[in-house]
Amino acid sequence: AQTVTQSQPEMSVQEAETVTLSCTYDTSENNYYLFWYKQPPSRQMILVIRQEAYKQQNATENRFSVNFQKAAKSFSLKISDSQLGDTAMYFCAFLTFGNEKLTFGTGTRLTIIP
Amino acid sequence: DGGITQSPKYLFRKEGQNVTLSCEQNLNHDAMYWYRQDPGQGLRLIYYSQIVNDFQKGDIAEGYSVSREKKESFPLTVTSAQKNPTAFYLCASSTPDSNEKLFFGSGTQLSVL
Repeated sequence: AQTVTQSQPEMSVQEAETVTLSCTYDTSENNYYLFWYKQPPSRQMILVIRQEAYKQQNATENRFSVNFQKAAKSFSLKISDSQLGDTAMYFCAFLTFGNEKLTFGTGTRLTIIP
Repeated sequence: DGGITQSPKYLFRKEGQNVTLSCEQNLNHDAMYWYRQDPGQGLRLIYYSQIVNDFQKGDIAEGYSVSREKKESFPLTVTSAQKNPTAFYLCASSTPDSNEKLFFGSGTQLSVL
């Protein structure tokens, strides 16, 4: 069974600084997807970024980028120039090719301090 | 606008009562899902459906039931057998053949009176 671990329950950072959220996962599969989802106080789940395991290049979406280390089974999220609107819960998630079940970590609560 | 609509936003259940959470999507997605979120935990899959009139159990299906009579609708019933129903429930749908990108509804908070 796949597991996703987020070891930082809470983090806070000053506005405009850079912050990195960690995520590790355990799987015996070789082909899979990894995701970061954001859940602001409204509790709406929003996809932040996605990484295919077969791609060596790290995914980037504007201020959000990942550091994907397949051998180490690590998938961290870096938020640059953090903004107040980045305050949210962030969930790391894993999906095996051909599987319908997305496995989520327990989340990291990120607070951006003005 | 296309999207997923969950209703009601808040729901209260009495002891021994069944309650039904609504989920409707107009995205023409084949696959739909129900997740449960408890404080301090990630989302856990209750049920999912890949096509009309077919659905599969997720990790925590006990005490829940679903139906998929229409492509657009995937209601979740929380039965009296679910002894700890207080949670935030999220419905999602995805593009055919893959859930690379899940689209989520805005959720229903269920509480026990």
